[in-house]
Amino acid sequence: NAGVMQNPRHLVRRRGQEARLRCSPMKGHSHVYWYRQLPEEGLKFMVYLQKENIIDESGMPKERFSAEFPKEGPSILRIQQVVRGDSAAYFCASSLFRGANEQFFGPGTRLTVL
Amino acid sequence: SQQGEEDPQALSIQEGENATMNCSYKTSINNLQWYRQNSGRGLVHLILIRSNEREKHSGRLRVTLDTSKKSSSLLITASRAADTASYFCATDVFGNEKLTFGTGTRLTIIP
Repeated sequence: NAGVMQNPRHLVRRRGQEARLRCSPMKGHSHVYWYRQLPEEGLKFMVYLQKENIIDESGMPKERFSAEFPKEGPSILRIQQVVRGDSAAYFCASSLFRGANEQFFGPGTRLTVL
Repeated sequence: SQQGEEDPQALSIQEGENATMNCSYKTSINNLQWYRQNSGRGLVHLILIRSNEREKHSGRLRVTLDTSKKSSSLLITASRAADTASYFCATDVFGNEKLTFGTGTRLTIIP
């Protein structure tokens, strides 16, 4: 039973490029969450999606960041025109249903912006 | 500001000793969870305690919750070198699925 999958595990981008981070939830899970972790800090919530819907994007920066979770395929976190401050670990988590408080986390994508 | 604050920020103990970490939070919660993160890795779920529970056990782990003081503690008994990791508490509020994480305690077990 595969867990939450994220790819790539490491991503290097130059300033101004785009970064696309993918997350495949656990089998049967239709709720996906994205979190960002800066060095030496805890995780900060970014966005919560259900299939084809954004439920809560209160933690997303207003510009350059977007997320989707299509009917088919993985959830995508997209960062346009990356800046050095975007360098962080981005974690995806999934849960079985809304209100299932236990979230299962993926291994993360470490984004480095040069 | 952080909903959860763990203390201490860092803790080093000898293998075999018990490790206690604390977490404080600011608002009323629905659940509180503890996660472990090994260096450079993802998070592993350890234990969830509901707001109407006071204590929970899982193997060598013991979690307590005091809602009147808005605090929780995680006790790891008979520590092992493999317990070396960062430990985070995370809270959620009723009707909102997002988790709010604390800043973490970095635990080092000295063999």
